[in-house]
Amino acid sequence: DTAVSQTPKYLVTQMGNDKSIKCEQNLGHDTMYWYKQDSKKFLKIMFSYNNKELIINETVPNRFSPKSPDKAHLNLHINSLELGDSAVYFCASSQPTGGKGTNEKLFFGSGTQLSVL
Amino acid sequence: GQNIDQPTEMTATEGAIVQINCTYQTSGFNGLFWYQQHAGEAPTFLSYNVLDGLEEKGRFSSFLSRSKGYSYLLLKELQMKDSASYLCAVGDFNKFYFGSGTKLNVKP
Repeated sequence: DTAVSQTPKYLVTQMGNDKSIKCEQNLGHDTMYWYKQDSKKFLKIMFSYNNKELIINETVPNRFSPKSPDKAHLNLHINSLELGDSAVYFCASSQPTGGKGTNEKLFFGSGTQLSVL
Repeated sequence: GQNIDQPTEMTATEGAIVQINCTYQTSGFNGLFWYQQHAGEAPTFLSYNVLDGLEEKGRFSSFLSRSKGYSYLLLKELQMKDSASYLCAVGDFNKFYFGSGTKLNVKP
């Protein structure tokens, strides 16, 4: 059983389109994240949700809208895709054992490689 | 701002020991994490330090000095499968700030 699964693995689309990436975790974790990994391999946090509540929105354009229907799911919808959105997007989850604000190891999904043409 | 530095690329020989350094300057600190990422795959957790000193886990060890803003990952008895990128990350109140990763090439 995959702990953090995201779909699709590859996404090729035209500029201006709207697309979604889905993520699900079966670890029972309270916190989920979206990270973007650019061509230089920097992993940058985009969003973090704790138990369906948005806790981090790291200056991401409002074309990106995360949605968490329950604590096991965190989907990412992207409107009006631009060339610069091309990257690998990773979903991740963790369980802060020390309460909100602590850091525990991240479990990553396998990534979605988005190519905007 | 947040700054995490690590060498871009290193090469080592199978069976040898390699040390990958990481220096950081962040506004908060909740632990220093190391992840391994094989090409085209997701990062996977390797080790974690929150207090100064050395943490050993089999062939992998990680060291932290909070006063110096410095950590290293030590890999012993290198194997070909250790060829991957190694990412240093600082935890800061639910956020993780990642370095750009060190690509390790292990040669026979």
